[in-house]
Amino acid sequence: DAGVTQSPTHLIKTRGQHVTLRCSPISGHKSVSWYQQVLGQGPQFIFQYYEKEERGRGNFPDRFSARQFPNYSSELNVNALLLGDSALYLCASSFGGSTSYEQYFGPGTRLTVT
Amino acid sequence: TQLLEQSPQFLSIQEGENLTVYCNSSSVFSSLQWYRQEPGEGPVLLVTVVTGGEVKKLKRLTFQFGDARKDSSLHITAAQPGDTGLYLCAGVTGGGNKLTFGTGTQLKVEL
Repeated sequence: DAGVTQSPTHLIKTRGQHVTLRCSPISGHKSVSWYQQVLGQGPQFIFQYYEKEERGRGNFPDRFSARQFPNYSSELNVNALLLGDSALYLCASSFGGSTSYEQYFGPGTRLTVT
Repeated sequence: TQLLEQSPQFLSIQEGENLTVYCNSSSVFSSLQWYRQEPGEGPVLLVTVVTGGEVKKLKRLTFQFGDARKDSSLHITAAQPGDTGLYLCAGVTGGGNKLTFGTGTQLKVEL
């Protein structure tokens, strides 16, 4: 069975631009969470979506937004990119909306903002 | 803001040595998870500890949750090169819809 997939693997953007990252959860999983991992640090929670509704939001500015589609895939959008947005963006899927369900992480999208 | 501090930040040891990684917080968590992350991959769950004082063993890895559910430790016996990676603890808050990750411990085990 396929694990969590994310696209693209890497991308380079310029300050002020917009970026869209995509995530496909494991088949049967209804929850997707997004995390930002800056080099040398642990991941930080951005959003969780369950059954297409936002269930949690971390301490990130409004430039960050996300949505979940009827097939449970998800997009993370970041507007007006800053140099500090350079990071590995991780997507995790789980069966349910609670962390009592194991979360499975994808390989991440490496975003570089120049 | 809930913070999970891990120590040490970096650890480089020889094959066969023992080591302990610590995860400390001033906050109480309903449960705590440990992950290992390798370069180019996402974190992989190793264990979840739920009860204060709980000890879980996974082959050569021993995990302990503090009595007050604020801290945890990971002990590796006879480390092997395959244990190399970034070890992350993560606390689960009440309501349980997000993980608060620790600062990470980068472990390198050399032959």
